[in-house]
Amino acid sequence: QLQLQESGPGLVKPSETLSLTCTVSGGSISSSSYYWGWIRQPPGKGLEWIGSIYYSGSTYYNPSLKSRVTISVDTSKNQFSLKLSSVTAADTAVYYCARRHSTNLDYWGQGTLVTVSS
Amino acid sequence: NFMLTQPHSVSESPGKTVTISCTRSSGSIASNYVQWYQQRPGSAPTTVIYEDNQRPSGVPDRFSGSIDSSSNSASLTISGLKTEDEADYYCQSYDSSNLWVFGGGTKLTVL
Repeated sequence: QLQLQESGPGLVKPSETLSLTCTVSGGSISSSSYYWGWIRQPPGKGLEWIGSIYYSGSTYYNPSLKSRVTISVDTSKNQFSLKLSSVTAADTAVYYCARRHSTNLDYWGQGTLVTVSS
Repeated sequence: NFMLTQPHSVSESPGKTVTISCTRSSGSIASNYVQWYQQRPGSAPTTVIYEDNQRPSGVPDRFSGSIDSSSNSASLTISGLKTEDEADYYCQSYDSSNLWVFGGGTKLTVL
């Protein structure tokens, strides 16, 4: 059974860089059948796509966040990562990683709450 | 890029049928498949409909999806409502540049 697990600091200071990693177990991140993505959800609000990556390293970013986002993949560790720079309180959210198979986001991590506060 | 607009909330009684709409702001709704996700409080979303009208295994056939080109919208219909269907529902699609787009979400109350 495929599992995705987010990890990283739960508290980040304003203006600093948020860094999260998604570890994939039970399957290979290198398959050509999938994209891997990050989605966030501010408290009490809806889902917002941050960006996604293909195993080859091709990336796609939400235009509203593009200037601050970097997503990378480490196939040797079966992980992909998110960096979001210059964070503010508006970046406080639950961050999810997910797998896209064809059009379906069929596997999600449990989510991790990241709070931006001094 | 386009937006997907959903009603903020809907409510219906157990045993009844409810339909949640998802309207695409520009471009044809038929251009890219629509998915629907259910999210219960404190949990990650799960798929109830993919590729407009396909149900993943394990999702009851009370859940169905459709698209309507005349209104440029997708719909999620849940029949025989159960209290366990109470959740937030999100529609989602893609644009031509492989960007992912989510609707704002609809809170379903079963009362």
